[in-house]
Amino acid sequence: QQQLQESGPGLVKPSETLSLTCTVSGGSISSPLYYWAWIRQPPEKGLEWIGSIYHRGNTYYNPSLQSRLTISVDTSENQFSLKLSSVTAADTAVYYCARLRYDFSTGLGNYFDPWGQGTLVTVSS
Amino acid sequence: DIVMTQTPLSLSVTPGQPASISCKSSESLLHRDGKTFLSWYLQKPGQSPQLLIFEVSNRFSGVPERFSGSGSGTDFTLKISRVEADDVGIYSCMQNLQYPFTFGPGTKVDIK
Repeated sequence: QQQLQESGPGLVKPSETLSLTCTVSGGSISSPLYYWAWIRQPPEKGLEWIGSIYHRGNTYYNPSLQSRLTISVDTSENQFSLKLSSVTAADTAVYYCARLRYDFSTGLGNYFDPWGQGTLVTVSS
Repeated sequence: DIVMTQTPLSLSVTPGQPASISCKSSESLLHRDGKTFLSWYLQKPGQSPQLLIFEVSNRFSGVPERFSGSGSGTDFTLKISRVEADDVGIYSCMQNLQYPFTFGPGTKVDIK
């Protein structure tokens, strides 16, 4: 059973860069069956897909965040990471990493499972 | 972006009674290969979301049979045949037909 665990600072100052890492255990991040994704949930709000990455480095970003976003993968460490620059209070959220099942017939991601436990990141001075 | 809406936004259910949540998308979620990319997630209190249903009606591994999904095109429904206390939480639909993937606002289900 694959498991995902987010790690990183819980407090980031406005205008700085938010950095999180997701460590995958119980299986290789290089599996051709999956993408790897970041999703966030601001307090009392719905879920927002941030972006996804394949083990070869192919990335898909939410256009609303694209100018500030970098998602990368480190296959040697079985990890993938998120960097979001120039953060504001609007970036305060619980950040989840998740595995995205790849659908070979369509080339799209099909569903998110499993999810990490989530980590709260607060943007405040 | 494809906009996802859900009704109702909150639902209070008597244990043993059925429950139904509607999800609508601003565009058809039907892919040219015949698949429809609509999934449902449940976020129990204090937990991360968990997958219930994918491709409209496919129950994920381990999901109880009382959960079922239906619909096509732009209109979808999640039904719980007999609600149990463990079913409380926020139910969200999601489209992954096109980027950016988008979620519905969520429906909060609690027990009467």
